[in-house]
Amino acid sequence: DGGITQSPKYLFRKEGQNVTLSCEQNLNHDAMYWYRQDPGQGLRLIYYSQIVNDFQKGDIAEGYSVSREKKESFPLTVTSAQKNPTAFYLCASSIVGRPNYGYTFGSGTRLTVV
Amino acid sequence: LAKTTQPISMDSYEGQEVNITCSHNNIATNDYITWYQQFPSQGPRFIIQGYKTKVTNEVASLFIPADRKSSTLSLPRVSLSDTAVYYCLVADYGGSQGNLIFGKGTKLSVKP
Repeated sequence: DGGITQSPKYLFRKEGQNVTLSCEQNLNHDAMYWYRQDPGQGLRLIYYSQIVNDFQKGDIAEGYSVSREKKESFPLTVTSAQKNPTAFYLCASSIVGRPNYGYTFGSGTRLTVV
Repeated sequence: LAKTTQPISMDSYEGQEVNITCSHNNIATNDYITWYQQFPSQGPRFIIQGYKTKVTNEVASLFIPADRKSSTLSLPRVSLSDTAVYYCLVADYGGSQGNLIFGKGTKLSVKP
């Protein structure tokens, strides 16, 4: 079945470490997104990419970095510059310019700073 | 970007019909209305999408008045498993797709 795979499901980071969250999709979707969700809150956009080798900052990009070398993959790196990284991270994908399709989300990665 | 307003929470009982209304007064001509459902520790799931009038699928119905300034998600005969957060989004999928704004949504609690 087609879908989005996020790994790992749980991730623990020490202070000062960079960590990378994986997101892979086999839906042949053009666009991919990273959102952050804090307890009881909505989703906030970190980065998005509509085409390979191109990406745009979202509302809370500081302390994060991404790459889009392949259509299927959109990894997110949480750097040591992100002061409060503990959150639930969600990756999504969509077809560009097709209004009859929504976003498909992965099952998320819960990141905790220890 | 069209901002949406929806109730923070709603309570219901099993077997009842639940209607969640979303206001989007600044909706643009090219915007579509989409609803998502999210269970705890999972990613949101697409439920239904519409542009005007009424849309129905196996999960829900979406009612959109002629002025499109609001929309109502209708869940028929809810069960305990419908307890979740429901998000209303308004966006132009052909345009700035990076700007889907998820508010806090409506937390629906279904009781036995």
